[in-house]
Amino acid sequence: NAGVTQTPKFRVLKTGQSMTLLCAQDMNHEYMYWYRQDPGMGLRLIHYSVGEGTTAKGEVPDGYNVSRLKKQNFLLGLESAAPSQTSVYFCASRPLQARGGRAHEQFFGPGTRLTVL
Amino acid sequence: TQLLEQSPQFLSIQEGENLTVYCNSSSVFSSLQWYRQEPGEGPVLLVTVVTGGEVKKLKRLTFQFGDARKDSSLHITAAQPGDTGLYLCAGTFSRGTYKYIFGTGTRLKVLA
Repeated sequence: NAGVTQTPKFRVLKTGQSMTLLCAQDMNHEYMYWYRQDPGMGLRLIHYSVGEGTTAKGEVPDGYNVSRLKKQNFLLGLESAAPSQTSVYFCASRPLQARGGRAHEQFFGPGTRLTVL
Repeated sequence: TQLLEQSPQFLSIQEGENLTVYCNSSSVFSSLQWYRQEPGEGPVLLVTVVTGGEVKKLKRLTFQFGDARKDSSLHITAAQPGDTGLYLCAGTFSRGTYKYIFGTGTRLKVLA
């Protein structure tokens, strides 16, 4: 199992450009999340999905859109990138139920480092 | 808006020392998780606590959940360089929820 994978690993954009970050998981998890991580601010939830075809806003959704057309994929889009969106983006997934005391365990991808100039 | 505050923000200690990091909220947690994150990687779950007063041990790590479920601590005994990393707490504030709030993190460096 590859777990959670993210594409690309690094990207540099100019202000106003658009891009899509791809997250894929092969664990058949129901829940998927997109977070951004900035220095001194921990992880902040951008959008999440509780199942195929569903999405919902998190703490900091402005400037981002998401889609979950297939259960295993969760896409994060930036329509018009801004320097404030320079960050490390993490995708995570979580099963509906967990066993063995691992309740609420989220499995994270390795992150995408995005710089917007 | 629920907020999680972690302290200290940074901690640099010598190998063999003990340390405690804290996670506090003004709201009652439904559940709380502790993660460790190493440079260039995503966070990895260490433990979940759900019951007030609960104590869990993971080798040299001891996790405690406050009786009122508003705070938690992580104690490391005889720290090793391999414990170096960013420690994050995360919580949910209502049962059956699937949204998580993360704390700002404690960056630990253990010197050999």
